[in-house]
Amino acid sequence: DADVTQTPRNRITKTGKRIMLECSQTKGHDRMYWYRQDPGLGLRLIYYSFDVKDINKGEISDGYSVSRQAQAKFSLSLESAIPNQTALYFCATSETGVGDTQYFGPGTRLTVL
Amino acid sequence: GNSVTQMEGPVTLSEEAFLTINCTYTATGYPSLFWYVQYPGEGLQLLLKATKADDKGSNKGFEATYRKETTSFHLEKGSVQVSDSAVYFCAQNSGGGADGLTFGKGTHLIIQP
Repeated sequence: DADVTQTPRNRITKTGKRIMLECSQTKGHDRMYWYRQDPGLGLRLIYYSFDVKDINKGEISDGYSVSRQAQAKFSLSLESAIPNQTALYFCATSETGVGDTQYFGPGTRLTVL
Repeated sequence: GNSVTQMEGPVTLSEEAFLTINCTYTATGYPSLFWYVQYPGEGLQLLLKATKADDKGSNKGFEATYRKETTSFHLEKGSVQVSDSAVYFCAQNSGGGADGLTFGKGTHLIIQP
């Protein structure tokens, strides 16, 4: 079984809808991250969490919110989806941050019409 | 702020050719540096990393050396294979109380038989 899983893998929704993307990990890591990938732009950090009680904004947090329900679960919400939030979203985990390897999930492809 | 610049692709090479993908960074401190690889339809996986100046990361025939004087972390491989075809991302994590990777835009590598 994969160490980092994301659900759903694909989602098509309409402008104005609320969407939640979920991430679960079995690696036992405290740190978790959400990134979005756009063609030609690489990946950009949306939010990150040091642990269950410590959540921080990344480079592009506007329009997004997160919830860390447990050490193993980190959800990303789009309160009112808009078309420019169409992207590939990745969750990642790491043990200690900075010099440590981040382990990525398979991604969720979100399309907002 | 922190940033990563890498050569843009696509880069097309013949099998057994020598590969170099350039990567430079700007950072306020001394970041850890990474190369991640993304195969079609998959998430990112770590290829190699270096956490301090003059360190060399290596894996699967790929190498990169952390050069503080030129703020660079160029990826090299002596003889590429068709199976190396993927998108390669250079990234840094500067720490300093924050966390999360800053990525370059990615380089699409195509190896022809």
